[in-house]
Amino acid sequence: EPEVTQTPSHQVTQMGQEVILRCVPISNHLYFYWYRQILGQKVEFLVSFYNNEISEKSEIFDDQFSVERPDGSNFTLKIRSTKLEDSAMYFCASSPRKAGELYEQYFGPGTRLTVT
Amino acid sequence: GQSLEQPSEVTAVEGAIVQINCTYQTSGFYGLSWYQQHDGGAPTFLSYNALDGLEETGRFSSFLSRSDSYGYLLLQELQMKDSASYFCAVRTSDRGSTLGRLYFGRGTQLTVWP
Repeated sequence: EPEVTQTPSHQVTQMGQEVILRCVPISNHLYFYWYRQILGQKVEFLVSFYNNEISEKSEIFDDQFSVERPDGSNFTLKIRSTKLEDSAMYFCASSPRKAGELYEQYFGPGTRLTVT
Repeated sequence: GQSLEQPSEVTAVEGAIVQINCTYQTSGFYGLSWYQQHDGGAPTFLSYNALDGLEETGRFSSFLSRSDSYGYLLLQELQMKDSASYFCAVRTSDRGSTLGRLYFGRGTQLTVWP
């Protein structure tokens, strides 16, 4: 069964450093998302992406964050200058292309980001 | 803004039926989803209700009442493997975009005892 994959599974970085989290959505999906989950808390929406542009973003997704689809398969989240409070599990998700099926989001296994 | 309320934890025994309620306040409501998450794993889609009524998928059913801003997830014939966190999530949009966003509740930890 097709699945969303994410790399790395765990990233440790120092405060102020840039990180890029990578995702490979399911191949025939056209709608992509990033979420984060701070340990023990709820899943929080960051950004949705379609047709090579951001569709919607949350208040969390400030100028330090950016997303890109550099080729036909990868979808990346970049954090320019990490802060301690960016430590969280970051989930990528994608949705099928069919209208009316946008509601079902398939999540990847996540990247645990630890900022020290 | 948005807010969702669901119980923080529920316990039940194998074979029992459990109902997890969710009330929400949101603008731009498209529908209510339910996701299951095992210990730090990826959220897994369970169901989606855009219209009022009951949707049944195997042992799981989900209900929505838009007029009451209320929904629930019903789990029947509970099994040990159902022990997990269950999140309700509203699909909503602040900007009328087609994709919208999922706004998650804080989750309900379900523990199933033998």
